[in-house]
Amino acid sequence: SQQGEEDPQALSIQEGENATMNCSYKTSINNLQWYRQNSGRGLVHLILIRSNEREKHSGRLRVTLDTSKKSSSLLITASRAADTASYFCATARTGGGNKLTFGTGTQLKVEL
Amino acid sequence: NAGVTQTPKFQVLKTGQSMTLQCAQDMNHEYMSWYRQDPGMGLRLIHYSVGAGITDQGEVPNGYNVSRSTTEDFPLRLLSAAPSQTSVYFCASRPQGSDTQYFGPGTRLTVL
Repeated sequence: SQQGEEDPQALSIQEGENATMNCSYKTSINNLQWYRQNSGRGLVHLILIRSNEREKHSGRLRVTLDTSKKSSSLLITASRAADTASYFCATARTGGGNKLTFGTGTQLKVEL
Repeated sequence: NAGVTQTPKFQVLKTGQSMTLQCAQDMNHEYMSWYRQDPGMGLRLIHYSVGAGITDQGEVPNGYNVSRSTTEDFPLRLLSAAPSQTSVYFCASRPQGSDTQYFGPGTRLTVL
């Protein structure tokens, strides 16, 4: 079963705008990660946030984690056409031996 | 470093045929995993290994076998291919002590 569900399934924005995508999960976690997948390619790790952290930044990425609501959000600021990709959240469940469970993904399209 | 490599990139099989998907990494990572990606379902864990000689089942192991005779290689065997195994297969690795996974470029498999 899918641990993570992402919202929205698809998002289309103009270059320069911010993109926000959300991830909800079901069980207690050790950490939550976000990955990017360009069309026809493998996944690339973007950022990891641990269960005792609430917010983390990396360049134009900002991730928040609310363990009480079992949800996370990924914000991409000042988006670029090169940000066009699918974005997946992945959770490492508590007691899960660091195995990752992936969500269904958000397809982001950034138009010029 | 070449990172995580997968061969072949594309494969078409007939129902009942067997084949092996190859995965290799040159980063000396202890952990390796196989996922399948189907439309609208994210990535699902098939099998994983925490080191040479040690493998375990993931979420969807039926119809697949793995072995890990060396740290570098983690082949995935389809014993008798079925149309339900049509998917994109990704291999990933990570070093002990890290939660970040490194993905290969994937193998697109079609079973007729």
